[in-house]
Amino acid sequence: DGGITQSPKYLFRKEGQNVTLSCEQNLNHDAMYWYRQDPGQGLRLIYYSQIVNDFQKGDIAEGYSVSREKKESFPLTVTSAQKNPTAFYLCASSIQGFEEQYFGPGTRLTVT
Amino acid sequence: GQNIDQPTEMTATEGAIVQINCTYQTSGFNGLFWYQQHAGEAPTFLSYNVLDGLEEKGRFSSFLSRSKGYSYLLLKELQMKDSASYLCAVTSGGYQKVTFGTGTKLQVIP
Repeated sequence: DGGITQSPKYLFRKEGQNVTLSCEQNLNHDAMYWYRQDPGQGLRLIYYSQIVNDFQKGDIAEGYSVSREKKESFPLTVTSAQKNPTAFYLCASSIQGFEEQYFGPGTRLTVT
Repeated sequence: GQNIDQPTEMTATEGAIVQINCTYQTSGFNGLFWYQQHAGEAPTFLSYNVLDGLEEKGRFSSFLSRSKGYSYLLLKELQMKDSASYLCAVTSGGYQKVTFGTGTKLQVIP
């Protein structure tokens, strides 16, 4: 089955710790995206990548970092510099960026 | 910059028709998506409009006017399971950046 996976579904961390969220896809998509969603809010773009070894900042990249060493993987690190890290994080992929995005199930991160 | 506006909430009756509007201001517009998102779940794709006009897909239709920066999603024969948030998203620029609106929460009542 082709798809996009995120793990874990729920993640708890203490303030001041970095945490890495996993995103893997076996759809052979070139483009991958990370979004953040807060309660009652739409999706806000954190980072996106069109090809391996290349990525661009989205609208709210401060306090986050990414890597794209492999086509199928696009991990997101939430650093201690992110002031309000508690949120629902969604990863998505698309064939080349102009097409529909396929979303993973999301990771709900809680930082206390 | 980019700006996308949608109504925050709407309520409609089961079996009825509802229209959810989306207006946008962006440079380098490529196309407009509509996604459905049930509470606590990931968004799922509904439609993608690139050219002006209406595209119909079963009970759902989506309309785009590029000159007016306007789109709407039309849901017919509403069912209770249509209760969800509907997200409008615009792609723009050479790097196909995607910007989402804040979404419209639709409640379908009996």
